[in-house]
Amino acid sequence: GENVEQHPSTLSVQEGDSAVIKCTYSDSASNYFPWYKQELGKRPQLIIDIRSNVGEKKDQRIAVTLNKTAKHFSLHITETQPEDSAVYFCAAAARMDSSYKLIFGSGTRLLVRP
Amino acid sequence: GAGVSQTPSNKVTEKGKYVELRCDPISGHTALYWYRQSLGQGPEFLIYFQGTGAADDSGLPNDRFFAVRPEGSVSTLKIQRTERGDSAVYLCASRLGTSRAPGGYTFGSGTRLTVV
Repeated sequence: GENVEQHPSTLSVQEGDSAVIKCTYSDSASNYFPWYKQELGKRPQLIIDIRSNVGEKKDQRIAVTLNKTAKHFSLHITETQPEDSAVYFCAAAARMDSSYKLIFGSGTRLLVRP
Repeated sequence: GAGVSQTPSNKVTEKGKYVELRCDPISGHTALYWYRQSLGQGPEFLIYFQGTGAADDSGLPNDRFFAVRPEGSVSTLKIQRTERGDSAVYLCASRLGTSRAPGGYTFGSGTRLTVV
């Protein structure tokens, strides 16, 4: 089955700097890669996703890149702000039968220092 | 409803007891997923329903765990003979399962289960 590895486990950056989180996946059939932000005690919230037919997607300060050959994808946050502090999870999914099953990475705790 | 609702939000139970966790998905969402999130970890897949049937239960850790969705809407995750290692946040998510496009998952706020 699918296995997703995520690095680093913790990341501390100065406000205004960029943050990069990287994930690798094992199942070459995976074709959907979302990123979730989870604040303490809250539900995971989708912040951006990418499908396998594109290599990069951007939404304001957030971008995701995908390298299907190497089976890795990354989240880039520019001009970080204190409110970006949270745990971020990557996930990968392949279509199976009638739906998709998300497999998550272990998470990255991002701290943005004011 | 407007979102995925999970009840109770918190549950404390004694080791060996039986617990039921409830998930009420978004109306019309045919696909429903249960995940378990241990402290400091990512959500771990448990089981997925398409309609009333369990399409994939490969993530259930052992036979103490069981889930049902009898009418294709509300789902109940049942844990028998609870153990301290079962302590975690149990998350439910739903999506419009008939869509061929990926995405569209909505997560509930979870049930925090503590086994003492």
